[in-house]
Amino acid sequence: GAGVSQSPRYKVAKRGQDVALRCDPISGHVSLFWYQQALGQGPEFLTYFQNEAQLDKSGLPSDRFFAERPEGSVSTLKIQRTQQEDSAVYLCASSQEWSVVDEQYFGPGTRLTVT
Amino acid sequence: GESVGLHLPTLSVQEGDNSIINCAYSNSASDYFIWYKQESGKGPQFIIDIRSNMDKRQGQRVTVLLNKTVKHLSLQIAATQPGDSAVYFCAETFQGAQKLVFGQGTRLTINP
Repeated sequence: GAGVSQSPRYKVAKRGQDVALRCDPISGHVSLFWYQQALGQGPEFLTYFQNEAQLDKSGLPSDRFFAERPEGSVSTLKIQRTQQEDSAVYLCASSQEWSVVDEQYFGPGTRLTVT
Repeated sequence: GESVGLHLPTLSVQEGDNSIINCAYSNSASDYFIWYKQESGKGPQFIIDIRSNMDKRQGQRVTVLLNKTVKHLSLQIAATQPGDSAVYFCAETFQGAQKLVFGQGTRLTINP
């Protein structure tokens, strides 16, 4: 594909519901990152994959957040028992190589609103 | 027009003027810095980067300046155009890290 795609683009969930957010990185990209962007703020790191291995999940806010990339391509970010503070834009980025200094290409994000 | 780091999140400039967006980074170990542009409803888009062994780097209409002594980064946009309207973020990282750390951002608006 031409770039990183994410789905859905918008998601409204009632408090307590589980949600799953999908990221399709650029084909062949080794690294995949998830970020959370609150309104008016910069993106904040959540987790990082190198192929199928989750090498850093230090940014996940709680154990309600879970991410996977089982075949080293598509990734899913799952949030269980959503809370209002989870409302944010969730951004996915991929890069060709393993190094963080390699250019990251961002998707358009999924805007999650928890009511 | 010029912004002052994270304490002035909005910068308005006249079309055709030069813009200067500032960023104060936090980690003295950071050795790689990136400027991103984010338009409404889109993800951040890479503009220009600089490594810590440089103090200036130029691109097309953009220049990034790095002052490691005071941990300050700036983005200069020449002849600002309406299409430059966006939020601009600086990001920092270092070799061996697995993440980018983003600043709060500055919203640039262009007056016709």
